Amino acid sequence: DAGITQSPRHKVTETGTPVTLRCHQTENHRYMYWYRQDPGHGLRLIHYSYGVKDTDKGEVSDGYSVSRSKTEDFLLTLESATSSQTSVYFCAISAEINTGELFFGEGSRLTVL
Amino acid sequence: SQQGEEDPQALSIQEGENATMNCSYKTSINNLQWYRQNSGRGLVHLILIRSNEREKHSGRLRVTLDTSKKSSSLLITASRAADTASYFCATDANTNAGKSTFGDGTTLTVKP
Repeated sequence: DAGITQSPRHKVTETGTPVTLRCHQTENHRYMYWYRQDPGHGLRLIHYSYGVKDTDKGEVSDGYSVSRSKTEDFLLTLESATSSQTSVYFCAISAEINTGELFFGEGSRLTVL
Repeated sequence: SQQGEEDPQALSIQEGENATMNCSYKTSINNLQWYRQNSGRGLVHLILIRSNEREKHSGRLRVTLDTSKKSSSLLITASRAADTASYFCATDANTNAGKSTFGDGTTLTVKP
């Protein structure tokens, strides 16, 4: 299995509080992604990174920010969590941009009350 | 909006039977991938097919791609109970290289 660790794996928080999810990889892959998955749906891209300090928005980026200060870490921050951000968040990595093969972490389940 | 859409949404078969899932997409692609997700786990890459390929095999998996119809199919032969999972197609569009877009998935149940 690819070395991808997400933390925390489960979190319950209240509306309006800040939340940071961490993705840590040991594969030295250049590309990192944050997706969210909602019941009965596929994954939707939130933000992605092409390298250290190089990030861009995905399909559903509103309310989220990211940072990548080191190759191995990609942080997803919800500045002020809302109930609509209750979801399972997946981090993914890839070595090459055009191979398309993503390696996923085990997910972080976030509940916003 | 989702680029890929799987059909059917749910599929239930007996062990030993074949399972076929379909994926349709809207825009031109560089490649299409299929992923598998067991309940409560992350996605696992199964197979990638490039836009200039028509068919690919990997073990009991067979993937076809018809770019003229903008569709792909995943065939799992001689299914096993352990194949029970959700299956997703993901596309890399020409204009969004590296940003895979996922469909809603097909939930496959294989009964022993």
